[in-house]
Amino acid sequence: ELKVEQNPLFLSMQEGKNYTIYCNYSTTSDRLYWYRQDPGKSLESLFVLLSNGAVKQEGRLMASLDTKARLSTLHITAAVHDLSATYFCADRAIDKLIFGTGTRLQVFP
Amino acid sequence: KAGVTQTPRYLIKTRGQQVTLSCSPISGHRSVSWYQQTPGQGLQFLFEYFSETQRNKGNFPGRFSGRQFSNSRSEMNVSTLELGDSALYLCASSLIQGAGEQYFGPGTRLTVT
Repeated sequence: ELKVEQNPLFLSMQEGKNYTIYCNYSTTSDRLYWYRQDPGKSLESLFVLLSNGAVKQEGRLMASLDTKARLSTLHITAAVHDLSATYFCADRAIDKLIFGTGTRLQVFP
Repeated sequence: KAGVTQTPRYLIKTRGQQVTLSCSPISGHRSVSWYQQTPGQGLQFLFEYFSETQRNKGNFPGRFSGRQFSNSRSEMNVSTLELGDSALYLCASSLIQGAGEQYFGPGTRLTVT
């Protein structure tokens, strides 16, 4: 069964702190996506990771991909309230995206 | 460049009815995929259309169907609605077939009563 597991499911963190969201996937895919979703809104593309060892950074978010371990991480540096949202990773499985369960991030002062 | 548009944005239907949702992809994109998002099941792939042909289908009953037109616009139809069909239906467009980078529309919120 094709699966994508994210952890943690919920993350409540203080502003200024660092944390990492983990995404394990079951296929041999070399393409991994990260999306952000605000409540009641659609999915916003954050990162597309295309190969083993890929690392991408945008502001306080940095994503990496280890295809050998079938693991992607989304690292949050010095969190701010505006980062509060649900984050999804998605694995490309042949010709569809398989989404993880999502990590609901809440950043408080 | 305009993004992916979906209509309607909100819809309330009664059990047993049918519904049609519409998606217009980004100009030049030929692939349209549909996803269902519910609190219980998360985001699940429904189907993908490319060049007016269904290329891939998720694990949904035959009540869920779709089509794509020559201008790449796509519609999905759900017949004999059930309460469990209440969900956010998201359409995503891509330049190429097979889950190239996908750009999502705002979604259609369907409520079945």
